[in-house]
Amino acid sequence: AQSVTQLDSQVPVFEEAPVELRCNYSSSVSVYLFWYVQYPNQGLQLLLKYLSGSTLVESINGFEAEFNKSQTSFHLRKPSVHISDTAEYFCAVSDQGDYKLSFGAGTTVTVRA
Amino acid sequence: DAGITQSPRHKVTETGTPVTLRCHQTENHRYMYWYRQDPGHGLRLIHYSYGVKDTDKGEVSDGYSVSRSKTEDFLLTLESATSSQTSVYFCAIRAGLASYNEQFFGPGTRLTVL
Repeated sequence: AQSVTQLDSQVPVFEEAPVELRCNYSSSVSVYLFWYVQYPNQGLQLLLKYLSGSTLVESINGFEAEFNKSQTSFHLRKPSVHISDTAEYFCAVSDQGDYKLSFGAGTTVTVRA
Repeated sequence: DAGITQSPRHKVTETGTPVTLRCHQTENHRYMYWYRQDPGHGLRLIHYSYGVKDTDKGEVSDGYSVSRSKTEDFLLTLESATSSQTSVYFCAIRAGLASYNEQFFGPGTRLTVL
C-alpha cells in the first residue's frame, strides 16, 4: 500500500492570494491520484483526479494539480483563493489494479479576508 | 452524494458496549468501504466489501467487524467499544468496477465512547 505525505498540516492564506498544497507518495509504480475536499461537518468530495495522459489536471472551481512521476508528487494549486475555499484537503493514491485508497493526513486551508 | 446514507449520524456510548453503524446505498455499487477519520491521520481504511458476503480487512481492522448481506447495506460493528474508537466514521462506495473509479463518501457518523 502507498504511503502518502502531505507536507503541511495547516495553511493560512489571504483571500485572492495563491495557495499550493503539497502531496508526495511512496512508490513510483503506476498510480491513480486524487484530491478530495472536506468542508466543515461534511463528508469528502472529489476535487480532481489524475488517471493518465496530461500531467496537469484541473477542477471546475479553479484548482489544478500536477502529476510528477519522477518526484512522486501531486501538488494542488489555486492562483487566487476565496473565503469559500476554507476546508480540509486530502490527497489520496491507489496503485493501478488496487481497489483501496491511501490517504494523506490532510491539509487545513484557512482563507482570511 | 451518490445516494449514500449513514445511521446514526451521532452516537454516544459507554466503554464495553456493542455498537453497529449502518451504511446504505441506493445505486447497487459493488464496492463499499468503512473508514475512520482522526486528526493527524487523515482517513484510514477499516474494512471493505467487494460484494455480498465478500469482505476484507483494511489497515485498522482490529476491534471491528463488518457484514454485508445485501448489496445496499454495509454494517460496521464494534463488538466492545473502547475510548480509542472515538472517531468520525465514513462509509464510501466505488462508482464502478474499475480500480480508477473514484470513491464517493457518505456524510459520516460521529461516535463518542465514554
